[in-house]
Amino acid sequence: DAGVIQSPRHEVTEMGQEVTLRCKPISGHNSLFWYRQTMMRGLELLIYFNNNVPIDDSGMPEDRFSAKMPNASFSTLKIQPSEPRDSAVYFCASPTSTGGGSSGNTIYFGEGSWLTVV
Amino acid sequence: RKEVEQDPGPFNVPEGATVAFNCTYSNSASQSFFWYRQDCRKEPKLLMSVYSSGNEDGRFTAQLNRASQYISLLIRDSKLSDSATYLCVVNSGYALNFGKGTSLLVTP
Repeated sequence: DAGVIQSPRHEVTEMGQEVTLRCKPISGHNSLFWYRQTMMRGLELLIYFNNNVPIDDSGMPEDRFSAKMPNASFSTLKIQPSEPRDSAVYFCASPTSTGGGSSGNTIYFGEGSWLTVV
Repeated sequence: RKEVEQDPGPFNVPEGATVAFNCTYSNSASQSFFWYRQDCRKEPKLLMSVYSSGNEDGRFTAQLNRASQYISLLIRDSKLSDSATYLCVVNSGYALNFGKGTSLLVTP
């Protein structure tokens, strides 16, 4: 099992540019989480998908952020236009069971996408 | 108020010491509790689950006090390799809520 795969691992971009982060969740797990981590705020849930449908996007900071999960094996998180305050590590995660995210399940994280907006 | 609160530390302890981390959570309906470990510039990884009866995994002991909404992690006989950030995690539904973490540095 390859685990959760994210790309790019590192990205440096200029303010105003579009950023697209990609995630391949664990095969057969039909839920996916996007988290953002900063020193100031720690790990924050951005959005949760179940069966490819966004269930909770209340953590998405603002309209500049959007996420999609067109199929069970792929998700994107897009920031347009990017700003320096978006600099953070963005983690994608799959729950540990195939039953979707639910109480009792833990999650596996990808290695993260380290974003710097200058 | 953040849903999961932890002392950020850092905790600097010598090898062989015993160290304890505490965590409080605000949602009394929370059902599941965990400790994750995060090494520098790495992703968080599950260390252990926390059960109401308390549980132990080698040198690590986790305790849960539902009445006080309090979780603890005890590390005995600290090793240099235990140096990391320890994240307290609470599941209140489909998502995990993470504390900001407690930093531990074990020194020779």
